[in-house]
Amino acid sequence: QVQLQESGPGLVKPSETLSLTCSVSGGSISSYYWSWIRQPPGKALEWIGYIYYSGSTNYSPSLKSRVTISLDTSKNQFSLKLSSVTAADTAVYYCARHVVPATQAQRAYFDFWGQGTLVTVSS
Amino acid sequence: SYELSQPPSVSVSPGQTASITCSGDKLGSKFASWYQQRPGQSPVLVIYEDNKRPSGIPQRFSGSNSGNTATLTISGTQAMDEADYYCQAWDSSTAWVFGGGTKLTVL
Repeated sequence: QVQLQESGPGLVKPSETLSLTCSVSGGSISSYYWSWIRQPPGKALEWIGYIYYSGSTNYSPSLKSRVTISLDTSKNQFSLKLSSVTAADTAVYYCARHVVPATQAQRAYFDFWGQGTLVTVSS
Repeated sequence: SYELSQPPSVSVSPGQTASITCSGDKLGSKFASWYQQRPGQSPVLVIYEDNKRPSGIPQRFSGSNSGNTATLTISGTQAMDEADYYCQAWDSSTAWVFGGGTKLTVL
């Protein structure tokens, strides 16, 4: 059973960079896509972006200018950086395994999720 | 940009059938997935590719997708099914998008 665990600071100051890491256990990070998804308090889920084990990335058009996702296969981890944060970036951030059957994006879904970590943007 | 719309809330009596809808332009030509999120917990995949159930998901959960609407159906609803449910699909303009969520109340 694949398990994911997010880690990182729970408080970030406005205009600074949010940095989170997702540790994957119970399976290799290879051969899958890995995504970050966030959920502002009381609101809906929002996909942020993914990284493929090869290192290729794809980001949400609305966040693309501020997002970087990277991979460390030796540690079975992937990371998120979100720059120039504001209060609107306050959310629970989840990492998830992103299944893309036969590389068909429209068939894709998220089958394993981390427990989530709350990041608050405040001075 | 592509949007998915869900009713904010649905109520059902125990043992009855609950239907939760998700609407989007030509959604039937795409694939829909559904996630259950209990309070304070992470989302759990309950339906993918319109009507497939992951291992461990009870048979009472089923899905369909046609026209502009995808539907999650829970037959013989139990108290443990009370949760928020989110639909998800992909569109070339917005990539992966989620609906606004539906709170299912089992009265």
